[in-house]
Amino acid sequence: DTEVTQTPKHLVMGMTNKKSLKCEQHMGHRAMYWYKQKAKKPPELMFVYSYEKLSINESVPSRFSPECPNSSLLNLHLHALQPEDSALYLCASSQPGVTNEKLFFGSGTQLSVL
Amino acid sequence: SQKIEQNSEALNIQEGKTATLTCNYTNYSPAYLQWYRQDPGRGPVFLLLIRENEKEKRKERLKVTFDTTLKQSLFHITASQPADSATYLCALKRLGKLIFGQGTELSVKP
Repeated sequence: DTEVTQTPKHLVMGMTNKKSLKCEQHMGHRAMYWYKQKAKKPPELMFVYSYEKLSINESVPSRFSPECPNSSLLNLHLHALQPEDSALYLCASSQPGVTNEKLFFGSGTQLSVL
Repeated sequence: SQKIEQNSEALNIQEGKTATLTCNYTNYSPAYLQWYRQDPGRGPVFLLLIRENEKEKRKERLKVTFDTTLKQSLFHITASQPADSATYLCALKRLGKLIFGQGTELSVKP
């Protein structure tokens, strides 16, 4: 199984809502990532978890709150988002420390904030 | 700061021709460079990795070169097909972060 599964595929939320994005992988990878991608732009790194610990936070606003409950799961909790937060949110995983550390991406959650 | 530039936002070629995409980087000497393919509404998919001590890497119709003096990687698709139409992203890792170029949108016309 070389899949990274993200749910939901689409999400529309108001600025006062609280929602969560979910990501799951069963490849035994111990690094997981959240990226944000706007249309016609490259993915931008938000957070990195390594061995279930947050190792990188790219100065992301606190209205985005990541969580890694175990080595297979990664969540992104959303609260009080702004319309400019509308984007494709991508989860990825990799096996840290290997010399060809490639990332496996999910299909993403297309988020619209109204 | 680290900068990655891909030569053009869009590239249109005829089926059967070779597509050549360019990735330039500055202010860093990466140990390796990666290329990904991204289709609309999907996540990027890993294609190839080339290390700093490798000049060239091939996989089926794909070829990647890496010139650490010029700080440039070239990505070639030979005998291109309409199914190769997608956005191609180069990426390199620095300080534990995989950073992407802005991508080149390739369109192969039949």
